[in-house]
Amino acid sequence: QSALTQPASVSGSPGQSITISCTGTSSDVGGHNYVSWYQQEPGKAPKVMIYDVSSRPSGVSNRFSGSKSGNTASLTISGLQAEDEADYYCSSYTSSSTVIFGGGTKLTVL
Amino acid sequence: QVQLEESGGGLVKPGGSLRLSCAASGFTFSDYYMSWIRQAPGKGLEWVSYISSSGTTIYYADSVKGRFTISRDNAKNSLYLEMNSLRAEDTAVYYCARDQHPMDVWGKGTTVTVSS
Repeated sequence: QSALTQPASVSGSPGQSITISCTGTSSDVGGHNYVSWYQQEPGKAPKVMIYDVSSRPSGVSNRFSGSKSGNTASLTISGLQAEDEADYYCSSYTSSSTVIFGGGTKLTVL
Repeated sequence: QVQLEESGGGLVKPGGSLRLSCAASGFTFSDYYMSWIRQAPGKGLEWVSYISSSGTTIYYADSVKGRFTISRDNAKNSLYLEMNSLRAEDTAVYYCARDQHPMDVWGKGTTVTVSS
């Protein structure tokens, strides 16, 4: 199964908002609400930022939000900060009871 | 605190085998599904396998099905990944993660290199 489709890179200036999209199919993103977003800094393990499409774990800034429309999920970061610069991955459970990740998006804070 | 620590990585020749371990602490291991995820050098995350809390439900990615075996020992708070018939494309950092929709706790990873 092919990876979920994410833009390879996005960028924004401090204080701005950015959105990262994650496109799948009706067998994964569109068919489940088990869509998560992970942040990975260089050399570190991923950290969950959003789960169940739009829920935020305790300790994660409310500047991070998630949504879904059809087969596309989105992660929005508002009030961009330098510390947000990292790679971001979406993931979804599938109708085959497996898990699929997106290809990843490199966020650059200008 | 809640923690996962992988071990067992290393350099192995193509066609060889390796067994990874993941030691859990700080939570009731037997209550949680667990997953293995890998990341090839400079590439994205790839889910490998998951196992239910009791070990009775197991799923694999197509890329490893028939070659890798996931297992757990709840008495030892440990997760395992037996990897056979290794290929160059299995070279990656392997992470274990507590999986409760989402994967909310990750280890630091262990590196597997498949090369002659």
